Amino acid sequence: AQRVTQPEKLLSVFKGAPVELKCNYSYSGSPELFWYVQYSRQRLQLLLRHISRESIKGFTADLNKGETSFHLKKPFAQEEDSAMYYCALSGRTNAGKSTFGDGTTLTVKP
Amino acid sequence: NAGVTQTPKFQVLKTGQSMTLQCAQDMNHEYMSWYRQDPGMGLRLIHYSVGAGITDQGEVPNGYNVSRSTTEDFPLRLLSAAPSQTSVYLCATRGRAGEQFFGPGTRLTVL
Repeated sequence: AQRVTQPEKLLSVFKGAPVELKCNYSYSGSPELFWYVQYSRQRLQLLLRHISRESIKGFTADLNKGETSFHLKKPFAQEEDSAMYYCALSGRTNAGKSTFGDGTTLTVKP
Repeated sequence: NAGVTQTPKFQVLKTGQSMTLQCAQDMNHEYMSWYRQDPGMGLRLIHYSVGAGITDQGEVPNGYNVSRSTTEDFPLRLLSAAPSQTSVYLCATRGRAGEQFFGPGTRLTVL
């Protein structure tokens, strides 16, 4: 069974501090991993995907297959980064169903 | 392009009532899904569809029905509403790279 774990429900940092949102997964095979973000009063949207290895809004995430992790990082947090973040996995089997973590609410304090 | 749209935005039901949540997309995506979003529980998949005429159950399908007669529309029906179905309902499509595109959500309260 595929599973996504985000161990922190709440995370609070000060502006300018580094931030890391943790995500661990379990899946038999090669998963597709994503981070989604939901800002206040906005719809859930894609932040980044592991396959593109891109940096979006200063965020990066590296897939570590050995540790089955896909942590989201940003070296200098900004107040506008305050939001709910979800890590998600899409399987290449199982009809490609997606599984989401429980989410982490990030608050960046001034 | 409107992307993924959902109606209504808000709805209050009494226990036992039925209703249909609408979802439409103009992205020509085959894959569509319905989630419920509850605090501290992430997104849980209710039903999904890989194309017109094909639907399947997710992890929490009880109390909900879906149909997919066209590529564009994927309505979710609540058969007999219960307070446990109070939630935010999100409809999503999926692109070729596996990324999902979400609608704005329907906030449902069942009294």
